Parts: sequence; structure tokens; C-alpha cells
Amino acid sequence: GAGVSQSPRYKVAKRGQDVALRCDPISGHVSLFWYQQALGQGPEFLTYFQNEAQLDKSGLPSDRFFAERPEGSVSTLKIQRTQQEDSAVYLCASSPRVPHSGYTFGSGTRLTVV
Amino acid sequence: AQSVAQPEDQVNVAEGNPLTVKCTYSVSGNPYLFWYVQYPNRGLQFLLKYITGDNLVKGSYGFEAEFNKSQTSFHLKKPSALVSDSALYFCAVFSGTYKYIFGTGTRLKVLA
Repeated sequence: GAGVSQSPRYKVAKRGQDVALRCDPISGHVSLFWYQQALGQGPEFLTYFQNEAQLDKSGLPSDRFFAERPEGSVSTLKIQRTQQEDSAVYLCASSPRVPHSGYTFGSGTRLTVV
Repeated sequence: AQSVAQPEDQVNVAEGNPLTVKCTYSVSGNPYLFWYVQYPNRGLQFLLKYITGDNLVKGSYGFEAEFNKSQTSFHLKKPSALVSDSALYFCAVFSGTYKYIFGTGTRLKVLA
């Protein structure tokens, strides 16, 4: 597609529920990133994939967060047993190559945990 | 550790006037600096970057940024603001080779 597509755009989850957020990057983009943007804050790095390999997951806040990209294109960020502090916008970005290039971000998924 | 600071939560400027959105950085080694803009309910859009070379970097939508090594600053500028420039602006630095460290953002409001 022309851009990075994320779904759903909005998700309301009850505390304790599991959620899955999808990212469809630009075709052919090798690198894929997930960021978390809390209200009023800048985005914070969660994890990085190069093709299907998850090269960095240092930003995942707990073991309730899990990301995958099994075929090197679409990625899913899964959050188990959601908590209120997980409420945020989750941004996905992709890039044809890593360093020094501007990434293309999706519009994000706004997750609200009630 | 790499970091960026955006000292102003909000900047107001009249349409047609020049605008500046401030950013300072703290990095070890050569800084790779970026500006992104975020419109409501939209993702971040890349504006410009500084890697090396000229200290004045030109980017999208008429924006430019000036890299100042002695002051460790990378301020975003535009000679004549438009109402449509009203948005949230983020300064960022690369940590390592691929991970952005973003500032907290500055909301720009251009008044007609």
C-alpha cells in the first residue's frame, strides 16, 4: 500500500483482556518498529524488526507485551492481561533500511483500557 | 545517554510571522537529529533530518532547521507561518543506529 496501515484505529479493552494490534508496513520495507505514545508525551521505542527477526525488544515494558512479524511483512503487537497504564497510542513505523532515514509512521492504534 | 529537550510546551505565532520551535540535545558522538510533525489523529510525518554537512537543513513544507554544535541545539524554523502549520512537533535523536529518542513535543498554534 501507499503507507503504513494500522488496525484497529481505536480499541477499548476491559482490564485483564488480551488485545492484538496489527501493522501492515509499506511493501518491501525491511525495518519495522513499534512505539508507544502516552497522552501528552513523545513516542517511546518498544521493539524493532529487521525482516522477521526481532533484533531489539528492550523497550517492551513487561512480559505481557509480545510482538511478532513471522513472514517479514505484517506485524502484530499483543498485550496480555491489559492494565490501565497500557492506555496509549501504539505507533508502527517502517523503513526501507535502517539508519539515518526518516521512517514512515502509521496513524496508530489508540488503546483505552477501562 | 542520548536525550532531547523541547523547553516549550506550546508556541503561539501570528500567521505570516516567522516561527521557531526549540530543541536541544545531549548525545555522545555525532548527533543524528530529526523533526517530525503530528496532526490530530495522524501518525508522525517526517520533516527533516541532520546527519552531517551544512548546518542549515531544509525540509518539507518550507521548514528548515539550524544545527548548532556549540549550543547543542537544533531549532526548527519557518520564515512565514501558516494556520495549517498548527500541529504537534517532535524533535528526535537517534540512539544507536535505529532507535529514536523523542522529545516531549511542542504544540504550535498559528493564529489567523
